[in-house]
Amino acid sequence: DVKVTQSSRYLVKRTGEKVFLECVQDMDHENMFWYRQDPGLGLRLIYFSYDVKMKEKGDIPEGYSVSREKKERFSLILESASTNQTSMYLCASASGEGRGYTFGSGTRLTVV
Amino acid sequence: KQEVTQIPAALSVPEGENLVLNCSFTDSAIYNLQWFRQDPGKGLTSLLLIQSSQREQTSGRLNASLDKSSGRSTLYIAASQPGDSATYLCAVKRENRDDKIIFGKGTRLHILP
Repeated sequence: DVKVTQSSRYLVKRTGEKVFLECVQDMDHENMFWYRQDPGLGLRLIYFSYDVKMKEKGDIPEGYSVSREKKERFSLILESASTNQTSMYLCASASGEGRGYTFGSGTRLTVV
Repeated sequence: KQEVTQIPAALSVPEGENLVLNCSFTDSAIYNLQWFRQDPGKGLTSLLLIQSSQREQTSGRLNASLDKSSGRSTLYIAASQPGDSATYLCAVKRENRDDKIIFGKGTRLHILP
């Protein structure tokens, strides 16, 4: 069964910490995405990547960066975590051939 | 700018009923439309993917239809069960090289036992 795996289901971090959220897919997909999901706001795209070492800003990139050194891995980085980054973070991948998205199980991040 | 709307935001129906969830989009130039299910605190599970050239897709008790010209899709759930309780989201991929998709905010469905 194909999978997108997010390394942590729950994380609690302190304000100012550097936070890494990891996402790995085993489907050889070119495209990978990071979203955050908040009540009443829906899913919002943070960053995406169409290829190794490539990254594109989504709708809300401020306060985040990403890294894609290998095709299967896409990391979201919070350089200095703040309480307003408390959210559910969802990673997804897609083949780029219009076959739809596959999502990971999500990481619930709490910044205290 | 493409906008995706799902109405109602929440819906409660008795077990056993057939029901329809709605999704509308403002720009008919879509590549495909995907329906997802999300359980509380979990990720999104893909239910059905309809390409722009298709009118409907079926999987078990689920049937999704697409009418590009009117900017609408429906997800039909037959013989609803308490296990169908979840949030259902639709998302459209635009008709360009960009692989980004635009989500609706979902319909929270509660099936009453």
